[in-house]
Amino acid sequence: QQQVKQSPQSLIVQKGGISIINCAYENTAFDYFPWYQQFPGKGPALLIAIRPDVSEKKEGRFTISFNKSAKQFSLHIMDSQPGDSATYFCAALNTGNQFYFGTGTSLTVIP
Amino acid sequence: KAGVTQTPRYLIKTRGQQVTLSCSPISGHRSVSWYQQTPGQGLQFLFEYFSETQRNKGNFPGRFSGRQFSNSRSEMNVSTLELGDSALYLCASSLTGPGGEQYFGPGTRLTVT
Repeated sequence: QQQVKQSPQSLIVQKGGISIINCAYENTAFDYFPWYQQFPGKGPALLIAIRPDVSEKKEGRFTISFNKSAKQFSLHIMDSQPGDSATYFCAALNTGNQFYFGTGTSLTVIP
Repeated sequence: KAGVTQTPRYLIKTRGQQVTLSCSPISGHRSVSWYQQTPGQGLQFLFEYFSETQRNKGNFPGRFSGRQFSNSRSEMNVSTLELGDSALYLCASSLTGPGGEQYFGPGTRLTVT
């Protein structure tokens, strides 16, 4: 059972555009929602994270929007750059400290 | 500050064999978590160790086991390898646990033939 559903599977965006990746979860015991960025041949790297007591968090060009009632959260990458081309994973951590990951989104930013 | 290191980086094993993977966390980090990454199943949590104790375990069979040493280095063992165990195995370290900032290593690519 996929506890965290991520879409789209792949995304192509023009340089300077906005990239939007969405995730939905089912388990209300989740209390920490990070996004990871992974380049080929590397391990994932934490990009930005949010806890359910806030609806939005912004760090530079990256923003997480969180909708607790809909059990959805999304990553927005503003002014997307070719260097942002990578695979992005959303994740959710439950109160038992177990992580569940989305299936990943392959982002390609075209110059 | 050195990052998380994993050895070996690549490994080829035969079905039925066993394998041991190693992870050295960032200095001062006491939590080490292990993950399996495959194209089909994505990233899946295996287990987490903190101060030599397994605190959490994912839904993997008992063939997957691990341990953590007093210096926080961790090993993961897979016995009786199956073709489906072919994957990238990642470890991540953090100061307090998965709810804090995790730093991933580059992974060990295991191929089972």
